[in-house]
Amino acid sequence: GAVVSQHPSWVICKSGTSVKIECRSLDFQATTMFWYRQFPKQSLMLMATSNEGSKATYEQGVEKDKFLINHASLTLSTLTVTSAHPEDSSFYICSVRLAGGPGEQFFGPGTRLTVL
Amino acid sequence: DAKTTQPPSMDCAEGRAANLPCNHSTISGNEYVYWYRQIHSQGPQYIIHGLKNNETNEMASLIITEDRKSSTLILPHATLRDTAVYYCIVRPAPSGNTPLVFGKGTRLSVIA
Repeated sequence: GAVVSQHPSWVICKSGTSVKIECRSLDFQATTMFWYRQFPKQSLMLMATSNEGSKATYEQGVEKDKFLINHASLTLSTLTVTSAHPEDSSFYICSVRLAGGPGEQFFGPGTRLTVL
Repeated sequence: DAKTTQPPSMDCAEGRAANLPCNHSTISGNEYVYWYRQIHSQGPQYIIHGLKNNETNEMASLIITEDRKSSTLILPHATLRDTAVYYCIVRPAPSGNTPLVFGKGTRLSVIA
């Protein structure tokens, strides 16, 4: 399957600061990447769909000005949590989808964000 | 809208087969059944998918009923490392950028 990496794997920041999370597709070009977040003991919730070279599509209830997504190349998408607050503490996971065929989706290892 | 129904938790003895059921009674003709699992604090891992025929790979087998309203994921010889949350997801055949939508899954505990 496809290899997806995320950086950093974990981050602790102070309230009010911004944090950038990178998602890289290591062995193929991904025109579409997805961002999910997961709170403790809950399932993954889709935040947004990131399309290379165009604006991301956000799910209802996700603030686009708070969670900035940039998909500048076919192998890199970034999620920036701006002015982070403790309630933004979560596990953020990116995913890429293979084009064509059944379209398997592969996931990164996740980034644990803790906002103090 | 929940498109799949799974038991919240299951236990399985190490070395035995783990059979994880999933109901998807409203599945459409063009929807695939996907199974993923998530080990604690990791990203989800793809296991297997199928449309109507049974499927087998190195990780598991997927048995889909003839009416496609339910399926069972089988881990033939469960190990402690198979302890995870298992998600059954139905999704249309790929066209466009439809992402996977996760339900609550089944928490499988493999016991020594």
